Amino acid sequence: GENVEQHPSTLSVQEGDSAVIKCTYSDSASNYFPWYKQELGKRPQLIIDIRSNVGEKKDQRIAVTLNKTAKHFSLHITETQPEDSAVYFCAASDGGSYIPTFGRGTSLIVHP
Amino acid sequence: KAGVTQTPRYLIKTRGQQVTLSCSPISGHRSVSWYQQTPGQGLQFLFEYFSETQRNKGNFPGRFSGRQFSNSRSEMNVSTLELGDSALYLCASSLVQGGNNEQFFGPGTRLTVL
Repeated sequence: GENVEQHPSTLSVQEGDSAVIKCTYSDSASNYFPWYKQELGKRPQLIIDIRSNVGEKKDQRIAVTLNKTAKHFSLHITETQPEDSAVYFCAASDGGSYIPTFGRGTSLIVHP
Repeated sequence: KAGVTQTPRYLIKTRGQQVTLSCSPISGHRSVSWYQQTPGQGLQFLFEYFSETQRNKGNFPGRFSGRQFSNSRSEMNVSTLELGDSALYLCASSLVQGGNNEQFFGPGTRLTVL
C-alpha cells in the first residue's frame, strides 16, 4: 500500500519568514495530493491540492509543488502570519482505490 | 450550506462495550469517509461509503463497521471496545468519491475508552 512520509514534524518560524513542508510517497499510481490545515481543537480543512498532471499550483501565499519522478511534493507558505500556526497534513490518493494516505502532520508555529 | 455534523461530540465507554457514531454530510454530498485520528498515528482511513455502498476499507479489524442510509447520513460502529480505540473519529463528506476530491470534515467525536 501507499506510504507517506512528512517532514519536519515541527517547524518554528518568525512572522514574515517562509515555511516549507515536504512529503514523499511510495506508490507511483498516486495522482491526487491534498494539503489540510488543522488548527488546535478544530476540524481539518483543505487549503490546497494538486493532481499529478500539474507540477505546481499557487493560491496567494500558499503553493504546492509536485515532483512525480522523485515522488515528493511540498507545501510552501510565504510571509507567514501567526494565524498560520496549525498542524498541516499532506495526503496521497491513487486513482484506482481512492484511498487517501495521510502523513503524520507538521506542527507549524509562527512567532510574532 | 450547513457543514458536516457529527454526534455525539464526546463519548466515554468502558472496555468491551460497543459504540455507534453518527455523521450527517453536507447536503448533496454522496460520499462519507471515516477516519481515526490519534497523536501517534495521525489520520488513518477507516472506510468510505458512497450511495449506501462501502467503496473502500482501510486496515482496521472487523470490529469497526459502518453503513450509509439513503439520505447519505452514515453511522460507524465499534464493537468490543479496547483501550487503543480511544481517539478522535472524524467523518468527511464529498460530492463524489472522497479520496480523489476535496473532503469536508466534521468536528469529530472524541471517544475515550476506560
